[in-house]
Amino acid sequence: EPEVTQTPSHQVTQMGQEVILRCVPISNHLYFYWYRQILGQKVEFLVSFYNNEISEKSEIFDDQFSVERPDGSNFTLKIRSTKLEDSAMYFCASGPTQSNQPQHFGDGTRLSIL
Amino acid sequence: GENVEQHPSTLSVQEGDSAVIKCTYSDSASNYFPWYKQELGKGPQLIIDIRSNVGEKKDQRIAVTLNKTAKHFSLHITETQPEDSAVYFCAASKEGNNNDMRFGAGTRLTVKP
Repeated sequence: EPEVTQTPSHQVTQMGQEVILRCVPISNHLYFYWYRQILGQKVEFLVSFYNNEISEKSEIFDDQFSVERPDGSNFTLKIRSTKLEDSAMYFCASGPTQSNQPQHFGDGTRLSIL
Repeated sequence: GENVEQHPSTLSVQEGDSAVIKCTYSDSASNYFPWYKQELGKGPQLIIDIRSNVGEKKDQRIAVTLNKTAKHFSLHITETQPEDSAVYFCAASKEGNNNDMRFGAGTRLTVKP
């Protein structure tokens, strides 16, 4: 069964540094998402992306965050100047259409800010 | 915006018993309700979903019920097995706008052998 893959599985970064989290969505999917899960808490929506642009973003997704689909397969989340509170699991998801076909999640990247 | 509440936060059952997890949502326009299972170190995995045009859906030992009037939906797991132990999340979103899916806080289910 096709999978969403995320790299790296764990990223350790100094506060203030930039970090890029990478995702390869399922190949025939059209919608791409990033979510965040702080340890022990709920999964929180960050941003959705369709047709090479952001379609919706949450209040968490401020100016330090950006997303990009640099080629036909990768989908990235960049955090420009990391803060301690950015430490969390970051999940990428993809979905095939806009009609609520289920979103499929990757196994996440654990981001640790020191 | 949508707000999803989930109860209980933890649930412990004996193997073979049933488990029920309940969620409520606030936005009456929401009409797609998936349930995800998250095992340690893994991403959420879809186990069942329901759309607002049906009241119940079943897949082997797992069933979901939806009450649109009361704005709540529930996950039922029968004949629980130790491998059902995980964190379960409910979520809600809108048809035709799968961009902002809101999750419940999760239920940690433990099935004791």
